[in-house]
Amino acid sequence: GAGVSQSPSNKVTEKGKDVELRCDPISGHTALYWYRQSLGQGLEFLIYFQGNSAPDKSGLPSDRFSAERTGGSVSTLTIQRTQQEDSAVYLCASSFRRGVQPQHFGDGTRLSIL
Amino acid sequence: GESVGLHLPTLSVQEGDNSIINCAYSNSASDYFIWYKQESGKGPQFIIDIRSNMDKRQGQRVTVLLNKTVKHLSLQIAATQPGDSAVYFCAEEDSGGGADGLTFGKGTHLIIQP
Repeated sequence: GAGVSQSPSNKVTEKGKDVELRCDPISGHTALYWYRQSLGQGLEFLIYFQGNSAPDKSGLPSDRFSAERTGGSVSTLTIQRTQQEDSAVYLCASSFRRGVQPQHFGDGTRLSIL
Repeated sequence: GESVGLHLPTLSVQEGDNSIINCAYSNSASDYFIWYKQESGKGPQFIIDIRSNMDKRQGQRVTVLLNKTVKHLSLQIAATQPGDSAVYFCAEEDSGGGADGLTFGKGTHLIIQP
């Protein structure tokens, strides 16, 4: 596509439920990144994929968070047993390759945990 | 830990004036710096970038200055327009092996007065 596409744009769910967020990167971009942005804050890096591989998962906030990427394209970020502190905007970005910038961002998924 | 930060949370300027947004960074290994613009409800939009082997880079109405001696980055916007109202983030990366994602500052909210 022309840009990074994320879905859903908004998600409201009850505490304890699982949620799945989707990111469709720019065609041809091998590097994909997930960030989290809390209200009025900067962006917090979560995880990076080069192709289908995530070399370092230490940026994920807890073991309730997981991410995968298949076919070198679409990625999903899954949050299990959601907590209220998980409420944030989850942003995805892609670039041709890490270190070959800039990263281009989608408009994010606004997640609200009731 | 090392981080990127901004000097001012809010900057108010008159339409038509020039704006200067400042950013301090502390990771001396950072070699790539980016400015993003984020409008309400949108993802960050790339404005301009600069590598550490440069001191200045110009785009359309924007200039980024990098002072590696004092670890300072600035974004200059010429003849500000109402459409420039947004939150501006600086971000940095150590492409030689540091964290896989960008490190973002908390942002400066630029307000354009009519």
